[in-house]
Amino acid sequence: NAGVMQNPRHLVRRRGQEARLRCSPMKGHSHVYWYRQLPEEGLKFMVYLQKENIIDESGMPKERFSAEFPKEGPSILRIQQVVRGDSAAYFCASSPYSANYNSPLHFGNGTRLTVT
Amino acid sequence: AQKVTQAQTEISVVEKEDVTLDCVYETRDTTYYLFWYKQPPSGELVFLIRRNSFDEQNEISGRYSWNFQKSTSSFNFTITASQVVDSAVYFCALSGLSGNTPLVFGKGTRLSVIA
Repeated sequence: NAGVMQNPRHLVRRRGQEARLRCSPMKGHSHVYWYRQLPEEGLKFMVYLQKENIIDESGMPKERFSAEFPKEGPSILRIQQVVRGDSAAYFCASSPYSANYNSPLHFGNGTRLTVT
Repeated sequence: AQKVTQAQTEISVVEKEDVTLDCVYETRDTTYYLFWYKQPPSGELVFLIRRNSFDEQNEISGRYSWNFQKSTSSFNFTITASQVVDSAVYFCALSGLSGNTPLVFGKGTRLSVIA
């Protein structure tokens, strides 16, 4: 049973380019969460999605960041016009239960974004 | 507002020593959940335990044990007879039942176990 799959594992972008991070949840999970981990920091919540719906985006920066979880395919976290401050590890997690943050979240291995 | 504090940024111990990682939390919810996650050098996050606010019994799993003290808002994690493979960053996290608040993480404690 495959876990949460994130790709790419490492992503290097120049300032101004776009970054697209992908997350496939565990089989049977229809709830996806994105977290960002800055160097030497804990994880900060960004957004919670169900299929075709954004449930909570209270942690998303107001500009340049967007997320989707289409009916088919992986969840995508998109960062437009990246800046050096976007360099971080981005983790995706999934859970099988509806609107329940108390489920143990199963995390992917993360995507490490480096902006040069 | 919910907050998790892990005051120990880094801890180093010699193999076979016992070590306790501290976690103090703040929440206004009467029902909430506490978690510990492990992040080894490879970078993934590994779920270790979930505890709800109504269950104050201590839990032991092999060399790991957790001490939940509601009176002091603490959820400490002890590793007995530490091993080099325990070297990792350990995160404590909190989630409130009301309002569907997302998981709030502490900044983590980096544990180094030296052979």
